[in-house]
Amino acid sequence: DIQMTQSPSSLSASVGDRVTITCRASQGISNYLAWYQQKPGKVPNLLIYAASTLQSGVPSRFSGSGSGTDFTLTISSLQPEDVATYYCQRYNSGPPLTFGGGTKVEIK
Amino acid sequence: EVQLLESGGGLVQPGGSLRLSCAASGFSFSSYAMSWGRQAPGKGLEWVSTIRSSGDGTYYADSVKGRFTISRDNSKNTLYLQMNSLRAEDTAVYYCAKPAVASVWGAFDIWGQGTMVTVSS
Repeated sequence: DIQMTQSPSSLSASVGDRVTITCRASQGISNYLAWYQQKPGKVPNLLIYAASTLQSGVPSRFSGSGSGTDFTLTISSLQPEDVATYYCQRYNSGPPLTFGGGTKVEIK
Repeated sequence: EVQLLESGGGLVQPGGSLRLSCAASGFSFSSYAMSWGRQAPGKGLEWVSTIRSSGDGTYYADSVKGRFTISRDNSKNTLYLQMNSLRAEDTAVYYCAKPAVASVWGAFDIWGQGTMVTVSS
């Protein structure tokens, strides 16, 4: 099975900082990579799909990049409402649809 | 408005069974594969199972294979998850989820609110 490894597992940054989260696949997955945001006590929310396509309604400070095995989620200017856990997920060619372990983002 | 509404969660003893339901509205349910995911308390997201739009293909995580059965009734716009031989490690919030595109495998753009399953004696 393809494993998805996220780093870091947690981070603390100041409002306005640029934040980068990485996700690495154990095998190439082309661009079949999604990013989700899950705020405390809430349902996961799709931010980005196809590695870099912003889901409708998602603020433009979120961006994604990468292809193959290495991907990044960037928040260009961290806002208080961005406090959440972020997950990557691969969805190419069949099961299991593996999620990364998550990155918890906090405000310093 | 596209909505998914899960029900059927609760407290069950180890070895017991439970059937979850997910009522869909606001989209062409029969055109989309549907999935179940779960999240144990304080843990990350885990994909559990997917069923093709017509129900003619089902897929399971190794952790539930042989114990859980996914099914759907397109006439009722409802997705199901029959869970048998439940274990303590199955304790989680269970979500149904819809892919963003009418393909078997896709990112999930709509999630239900979740239903809690607790396996404990």
